[in-house]
Amino acid sequence: DTGVSQDPRHKITKRGQNVTFRCDPISEHNRLYWYRQTLGQGPEFLTYFQNEAQLEKSRLLSDRFSAERPKGSFSTLEIQRTEQGDSAMYLCASAEGYEQYFGPGTRLTVT
Amino acid sequence: AQTVTQSQPEMSVQEAETVTLSCTYDTSESDYYLFWYKQPPSRQMILVIRQEAYKQQNATENRFSVNFQKAAKSFSLKISDSQLGDAAMYFCAYRRNDMRFGAGTRLTVKP
Repeated sequence: DTGVSQDPRHKITKRGQNVTFRCDPISEHNRLYWYRQTLGQGPEFLTYFQNEAQLEKSRLLSDRFSAERPKGSFSTLEIQRTEQGDSAMYLCASAEGYEQYFGPGTRLTVT
Repeated sequence: AQTVTQSQPEMSVQEAETVTLSCTYDTSESDYYLFWYKQPPSRQMILVIRQEAYKQQNATENRFSVNFQKAAKSFSLKISDSQLGDAAMYFCAYRRNDMRFGAGTRLTVKP
């Protein structure tokens, strides 16, 4: 296993379109996290899963955002009706113990 | 709400010298974890060092050590014998349930 992977690495979309990102965690990790990082800032927590259950969602996660982890393995993050303010790096991390292992991120640009 | 503050947007150190990055946090909890993460340019976030709040002893990982002052809610990172490869954004993070990050400190290492 080579670590957390995310796909795509870059996404350019027009305002109003829907986008979906995928995260594949380290296989034995039962917790999976999504973060958003804008330029010059630290990552902001969006949501996390324990196996397939979504246990916590940030108030940053508006109703245009939805995340799933259907079989407790990979996860998807969908943004509907994208806005320019959604432009950011979306990071995924997985964890078994205390340490979170981050993926390379998906950079979203909304034009 | 827990907040994490890094008051130094940028720091610079001469190769082989020592540098200390500052971090303060706000919480009403007594049991939590603190972390320092490193994010090199265009590369993944990696864990540098962690500290459990219930441990009084400061964590050390090779050239990296922390000064954890629980009462003062301070968690600084000391990098000894700085190397060119240490140049990166450094993020302080607090975890009770979700993870909260500071805004980061950009460290430059001068040869």
